[in-house]
Amino acid sequence: DTEVTQTPKHLVMGMTNKKSLKCEQHMGHRAMYWYKQKAKKPPELMFVYSYEKLSINESVPSRFSPECPNSSLLNLHLHALQPEDSALYLCASSLQITSGGFETQYFGPGTRLLVL
Amino acid sequence: KQEVTQIPAALSVPEGENLVLNCSFTDSAIYNLQWFRQDPGKGLTSLLLIQSSQREQTSGRLNASLDKSSGRSTLYIAASQPGDSATYLCANAGNNRKLIWGLGTSLAVNP
Repeated sequence: DTEVTQTPKHLVMGMTNKKSLKCEQHMGHRAMYWYKQKAKKPPELMFVYSYEKLSINESVPSRFSPECPNSSLLNLHLHALQPEDSALYLCASSLQITSGGFETQYFGPGTRLLVL
Repeated sequence: KQEVTQIPAALSVPEGENLVLNCSFTDSAIYNLQWFRQDPGKGLTSLLLIQSSQREQTSGRLNASLDKSSGRSTLYIAASQPGDSATYLCANAGNNRKLIWGLGTSLAVNP
């Protein structure tokens, strides 16, 4: 199984809603990532978890709250988002984070989020 | 500040052509360089990863090379097919533990 799955595929939410994005992998990877991607732009790193601990937070607003319940699951909790947060949210995983940088990252299909 | 540049930004070719996509980076202290493919509205597919100690990697019709001294990587696609149409992104993993991305090359292969 070399797949990263993400649910839901699409999400529409109001600015007062609370929702969660889910990411799952069963490749035994110990590093997991959240990226945000706007149209015609490359992905922007948001968070990195290594061995279920938050390793990198790229100064993301607190309305985005990541959670790694176990080594296979990664959640992104959303609350009080703004319309400019509308984007494709991508999850990725890699075997681990080596001292020399990241290994090959495997990406999920993404959740397309629209904030009204 | 590390930067990754991809040239050309867009490319349209007839089916069957061999083509080269270019990626240049300002930081020669890379650890690995990855090439990804992204179809419209979809996630990213990892195509090839070249470790800093390697010169090239091959997978099927794809060949990626790395020249650290000149700060360049190229992705060669042989005998292009309409199914190769997508955006191709390169990303440089430097010593700050982050992927630095290019803006991508949008490829259209016409039947």
